Amino acid sequence: AQSVSQHNHHVILSEAASLELGCNYSYGGTVNLFWYVQYPGQHLQLLLKYFSGDPLVKGIKGFEAEFIKSKFSFNLRKPSVQWSDTAEYFCAVSRDDKIIFGKGTRLHILP
Amino acid sequence: GAVVSQHPSRVICKSGTSVKIECRSLDFQATTMFWYRQFPKQSLMLMATSNEGSKATYEQGVEKDKFLINHASLTLSTLTVTSAHPEDSSFYICSARDLLAAFGYTFGSGTRLTVV
Repeated sequence: AQSVSQHNHHVILSEAASLELGCNYSYGGTVNLFWYVQYPGQHLQLLLKYFSGDPLVKGIKGFEAEFIKSKFSFNLRKPSVQWSDTAEYFCAVSRDDKIIFGKGTRLHILP
Repeated sequence: GAVVSQHPSRVICKSGTSVKIECRSLDFQATTMFWYRQFPKQSLMLMATSNEGSKATYEQGVEKDKFLINHASLTLSTLTVTSAHPEDSSFYICSARDLLAAFGYTFGSGTRLTVV
């Protein structure tokens, strides 16, 4: 079945640690890829997106993601996390004019 | 940037009653809007795609008679949960697509529905 998989359900890191959240999708053909963040009590916000071109995408707040077509992956990275990065992160794929979300990764940063 | 307003943010209703949730695009026209449902600690599940002036397209397993969607104008879509039951309690989120923007999907802040 077509799906978006996020490998880590819950990640706990200390401040200044490096972050990588995995995301794989199983759709064939052309897809658009997104990472969204949902801070506690707030609505979804777009972190970054990939439509075409450079597979290394830079987003807001120091986040970046790399699209590796051969691996059907779009992992999210940040070299040094902050306490304010505590949130839930959703990988998503746009196909057929719809956005399909992964199950999300809850990130908790220890001060 | 594009803003989507969702109302109400919270609603509590009695079992058997109906609840309407509104989704408005404030500064752009949205020919397509999407309705999602999010269970606690789970992902957003797409319920339906709403196109202005036409019938909504529902995802498999979503009861169209229970979740009525109306997209009467380019800035407003409504989701009505009919004859609500406690199992319908959830977080409902809408998204609107701005065709004129480089990236078109903007999400509302969600509606927490509790059916008692």
